[in-house]
Amino acid sequence: DGGITQSPKYLFRKEGQNVTLSCEQNLNHDAMYWYRQDPGQGLRLIYYSQIVNDFQKGDIAEGYSVSREKKESFPLTVTSAQKNPTAFYLCASSREGAWYNEQFFGPGTRLTVL
Amino acid sequence: ILNVEQSPQSLHVQEGDSTNFTCSFPSSNFYALHWYRWETAKSPEALFVMTLNGDEKKKGRISATLNTKEGYSYLYIKGSQPEDSATYLCAPYYGGSQGNLIFGKGTKLSVKP
Repeated sequence: DGGITQSPKYLFRKEGQNVTLSCEQNLNHDAMYWYRQDPGQGLRLIYYSQIVNDFQKGDIAEGYSVSREKKESFPLTVTSAQKNPTAFYLCASSREGAWYNEQFFGPGTRLTVL
Repeated sequence: ILNVEQSPQSLHVQEGDSTNFTCSFPSSNFYALHWYRWETAKSPEALFVMTLNGDEKKKGRISATLNTKEGYSYLYIKGSQPEDSATYLCAPYYGGSQGNLIFGKGTKLSVKP
């Protein structure tokens, strides 16, 4: 089955630690995205990538880093510089990074900083 | 920062009721509007992508209309069923520096059998 997988489902981190969230897709999509959801807020874009080896900052990129070495994979690292990292993180992909293409979402990772 | 408003915030209806909710957004530099359905413990799923003023899209019992001049979209569900219970998200797309989807907070629909 084609789709997007995210791992782990739940992640706990101690303050000061970096942590990497995995996102893999087998839809052959060019574009991939990372969103963050906080209670009472809409999804906010962290980073997106329209093509391998290229990515752009979204609205809330501070304290996060990404890489796009393979078309299928777009891992997100939450660094210790992110002041409030506890949140629900969603990864998505689309055929191209174009506005008319629907996005396909993964199941999400809930990160809790202890 | 662009403001996307969805109303109502939540809605409780009985099975068989028809319902509708609204997405309001700035109309300047508008390119497209996405609607997504997000069921609890599942991934958000695309419903519609709409671009033209007056556009109307339909998927089964769900339909949506778009007014780009005044900046709003309506989502209608005819004869709601318990499986329609979900949060419905709208997300307009703007060109230029806002080159990504701007998501509203969603309307949470609960349908009682």
